[in-house]
Amino acid sequence: GQQVMQIPQYQHVQEGEDFTTYCNSSTTLSNIQWYKQRPGGHPVFLIQLVKSGEVKKQKRLTFQFGEAKKNSSLHITATQTTDVGTYFCAFSGTYKYIFGTGTRLKVLA
Amino acid sequence: DGGITQSPKYLFRKEGQNVTLSCEQNLNHDAMYWYRQDPGQGLRLIYYSQIVNDFQKGDIAEGYSVSREKKESFPLTVTSAQKNPTAFYLCASSRTSGFSYEQYFGPGTRLTVT
Repeated sequence: GQQVMQIPQYQHVQEGEDFTTYCNSSTTLSNIQWYKQRPGGHPVFLIQLVKSGEVKKQKRLTFQFGEAKKNSSLHITATQTTDVGTYFCAFSGTYKYIFGTGTRLKVLA
Repeated sequence: DGGITQSPKYLFRKEGQNVTLSCEQNLNHDAMYWYRQDPGQGLRLIYYSQIVNDFQKGDIAEGYSVSREKKESFPLTVTSAQKNPTAFYLCASSRTSGFSYEQYFGPGTRLTVT
């Protein structure tokens, strides 16, 4: 079945450094969503990308959808301790959502 | 205040007992989902329901059962047949199971079976 791989699995950064997580699929995706899960919490929707080559920004977060709609990235500029958590990508398969394996971000103050 | 509630937050059970996790939403969403999350792992789909009185198995349905008698409610029963039931269980809902709708998650239930 369809799968999405996320890299890296873990990332430790110093506060103020940038961070990027990548989501890759072997098949073309109809859309890509990004979620954030704080430690001990539940996933919270961040954004959805639908168009080929789409780029969206939310303050320090930049989301991209690849031209071939097979990959996506989330970039955080100048990380803060509030960015700690696990970031998941997901896409809508047939009648269900398929989540990536997640990237766990730790920010060192 | 619209949202998804799950209860209880923590649940402890003895091995061999069935246990039912509650999930209620007042978002008027058609689709509901149950996921399992193990420490340091991603989300694995257990069951999903697109409409009342209908549900489908996800990737890891063995040892679990669900019902969808009301639009607002989608309880999950972890049966004694589930070999490794200790996990974090997340319920979610969306406007429809189709294209382009975000999922809203409940706060989760941490189940420990000893």
